[in-house]
Amino acid sequence: AQSVTQLDSHVSVSEGTPVLLRCNYSSSYSPSLFWYVQHPNKGLQLLLKYTSAATLVKGINGFEAEFKKSETSFHLTKPSAHMSDAAEYFCVVSDSAGNQFYFGTGTSLTVIP
Amino acid sequence: DTEVTQTPKHLVMGMTNKKSLKCEQHMGHRAMYWYKQKAKKPPELMFVYSYEKLSINESVPSRFSPECPNSSLLNLHLHALQPEDSALYLCASSPFASGSMADTQYFGPGTRLTVL
Repeated sequence: AQSVTQLDSHVSVSEGTPVLLRCNYSSSYSPSLFWYVQHPNKGLQLLLKYTSAATLVKGINGFEAEFKKSETSFHLTKPSAHMSDAAEYFCVVSDSAGNQFYFGTGTSLTVIP
Repeated sequence: DTEVTQTPKHLVMGMTNKKSLKCEQHMGHRAMYWYKQKAKKPPELMFVYSYEKLSINESVPSRFSPECPNSSLLNLHLHALQPEDSALYLCASSPFASGSMADTQYFGPGTRLTVL
């Protein structure tokens, strides 16, 4: 069975400081893992996806995530937060058939000016 | 065209009304999804269509009726809804074919539904 745990429901950072959003997963096979961002009253936008080609995945808007199999983690990072990064972030694992997504509970990121 | 579109953006309806939500994609994707999202929660899967056939129905009440007229279009027909059905309804599509991005889902902006 697949599941995702986002370790922080809320993260607050100052503008210009690093961002770390934590995600642990459970999967009985080699998973596909995603990070999506959702700005208020908007749909979900794909930030990046782990496809097993490389453990360090670079996404849009300066975000990246590192797949660590030994730690079953897929944490999202960004070196320097921008005000526009304030949003809800979801870590997602897909099932083996690629047919269904399992969402984490989300992390709300606040960026302080 | 690399986006999923949804109409309307907002919908207010009474409990006796019948309305429909529409979702469209022109990326050639063969899987389409309906999700329901309540405030401050992750999306909850409602239905999955694969190659225009309903493949997953997550025990959704019959007052929600999906329809996939063709590979680009997905509708959600609403009838006799309850106030607790008020939520953001998201549509998504995915390639559902070979390749590393096969299972990536692309989401529309959603329809904000309010049931009075």
